[in-house]
Amino acid sequence: QQPVQSPQAVILREGEDAVINCSSSKALYSVHWYRQKHGEAPVFLMILLKGGEQKGHEKISASFNEKKQQSSLYLTASQLSYSGTYFCGTENTDKLIFGTGTRLQVFP
Amino acid sequence: DSGVTQTPKHLITATGQRVTLRCSPRSGDLSVYWYQQSLDQGLQFLIQYYNGEERAKGNILERFSAQQFPDLHSELNLSSLELGDSALYFCASSSGLAGRTDTQYFGPGTRLTVL
Repeated sequence: QQPVQSPQAVILREGEDAVINCSSSKALYSVHWYRQKHGEAPVFLMILLKGGEQKGHEKISASFNEKKQQSSLYLTASQLSYSGTYFCGTENTDKLIFGTGTRLQVFP
Repeated sequence: DSGVTQTPKHLITATGQRVTLRCSPRSGDLSVYWYQQSLDQGLQFLIQYYNGEERAKGNILERFSAQQFPDLHSELNLSSLELGDSALYFCASSSGLAGRTDTQYFGPGTRLTVL
């Protein structure tokens, strides 16, 4: 089952905040977040694990609500470089199933 | 640069033809994944190999097949190509050691155009 992301698109001014949500109909063990710039490969942002452990290396935070089977990605004080399409991925029997993506555009 | 390489970068071919896409994983990674991304669509998981063996399968068509060789590079074969097969095909690799929490590193992709 493909996770559902919302919103589908976000337009921001530099310095504004955004939240991207990802929800699944199945129980989640982990949620992966990736960002893809137009014409480029997806790039890993972070993994959130059941139990609260978070693995990542960017200055972007996220939450994982196991009971609600949801994750949210928080982009604060957005920069131009944050523009791109954000995908969440939920694992399902050793496969990573990606959501349809949220397109984020940051303008100066 | 993720360390994952894919060749060719672009491929243009006709319907009914067969093509092979190649992927070399990051040094030390044992797992290779293949994804298809159609225009403005999300990433559709096709298949995963781990150390030469098929580990997981997604919505991969019967006309498509893949394998991972002893040197860990992987090839995705697409046959009897149709217009709808036009897409970006990504390969990703991971260490394969952390299972479901593995970080996947994506290659630059192969853009396939079927005319």
